[in-house]
Amino acid sequence: GNSVTQMEGPVTLSEEAFLTINCTYTATGYPSLFWYVQYPGEGLQLLLKATKADDKGSNKGFEATYRKETTSFHLEKGSVQVSDSAVYFCALYTSGTYKYIFGTGTRLKVLA
Amino acid sequence: NAGVMQNPRHLVRRRGQEARLRCSPMKGHSHVYWYRQLPEEGLKFMVYLQKENIIDESGMPKERFSAEFPKEGPSILRIQQVVRGDSAAYFCASSPLQARTDEKLFFGSGTQLSVL
Repeated sequence: GNSVTQMEGPVTLSEEAFLTINCTYTATGYPSLFWYVQYPGEGLQLLLKATKADDKGSNKGFEATYRKETTSFHLEKGSVQVSDSAVYFCALYTSGTYKYIFGTGTRLKVLA
Repeated sequence: NAGVMQNPRHLVRRRGQEARLRCSPMKGHSHVYWYRQLPEEGLKFMVYLQKENIIDESGMPKERFSAEFPKEGPSILRIQQVVRGDSAAYFCASSPLQARTDEKLFFGSGTQLSVL
């Protein structure tokens, strides 16, 4: 079945450091890929998405490229801020399955 | 345009009691999903509903759990005879009428269920 695997956290970085959170997936068909972010005490919010191979999603300085050959959708940011501290979820959706499949989440903590 | 509304925000129940979690989707959304988030785990799909129909409940435990999304009113996730293992955050999400592959989900803030 479809699945998403994320790197385990927590990830602790200093402010302005470079961030990479790895995400790989297994899916039949051609899924759409998403990164969601969950701030403390809140629900998930869409951060970015990509719907086909080689698409790059970007938002708020975060980027992720849909790599079909490596079945990956790694999240990157060049310079993190304290306000980026949150849990980040990689997810996929394939039409006909009705389900969004989420990874286990990666907690990011950014220190001033 | 109000977002997805879930209530209560926190719910405390004793073992054996019933828990009812409510979710009002965004205006114009007729697709509702329920997810459960256990401590240190990701979101696990439970059930997908459209108005008056359960489309996919493959993630729901076979016993004690039920969900509905009536023609009028919010979606309800009902847990009968709760046990400590039911303690988790329960999130509701909605999407518009025409769900497509690139359609994002809109999440509520969740209900934290604690079973004593």
